[in-house]
Amino acid sequence: QKEVEQNSGPLSVPEGAIASLNCTYSDRGSQSFFWYRQYSGKSPELIMFIYSNGDKEDGRFTAQLNKASQYVSLLIRDSQPSDSATYLCAVNEKTNTGFQKLVFGTGTRLLVSP
Amino acid sequence: DTEVTQTPKHLVMGMTNKKSLKCEQHMGHRAMYWYKQKAKKPPELMFVYSYEKLSINESVPSRFSPECPNSSLLNLHLHALQPEDSALYLCASSQNRQGGREKLFFGSGTQLSVL
Repeated sequence: QKEVEQNSGPLSVPEGAIASLNCTYSDRGSQSFFWYRQYSGKSPELIMFIYSNGDKEDGRFTAQLNKASQYVSLLIRDSQPSDSATYLCAVNEKTNTGFQKLVFGTGTRLLVSP
Repeated sequence: DTEVTQTPKHLVMGMTNKKSLKCEQHMGHRAMYWYKQKAKKPPELMFVYSYEKLSINESVPSRFSPECPNSSLLNLHLHALQPEDSALYLCASSQNRQGGREKLFFGSGTQLSVL
């Protein structure tokens, strides 16, 4: 199985700052990249996805993809205490059945202090 | 409406019990998934159903038995589980489009404790 790596954190930022979360992946054939947010005891929630090199913005969130460097990141602007959660990076991997499956990183725990 | 419904939310069972986890989606998705998540670990794929056929079994022990009665329903039958099987069991669904780009939507999960 291909690998998806994230710093486990915690990443601590003050309220209003920019939080930067990073992810690297090993499968050069991967084409789809996702960020999920998971609050403690809850299920993962899809917050961003990106398929092409460059930046994709949605509200306070920006996903960045660099396929040459096999690197994907998530920026959270104007961080709020409610953003405190674990952020999971997920990358698609093609299986021998032809079906695409998601491989998750171990997640980065983000703490936003008031 | 991106909603995947799982029942029960919590389950405690003994090692000799038989129980079932249920999952339902009404988004017209044609792929459904079971994931297992231990505390402070990422979700691990167990099974994938594509168009109601089992597409992926990640070498899951036979004490876990999936079933997909129709395109909206997914069950996970549990029998003779071990304490180490205690975890959050997550159901997810996706459109199952050709070419990948599958966005998975998760249910709220079943927190399973095996005594």
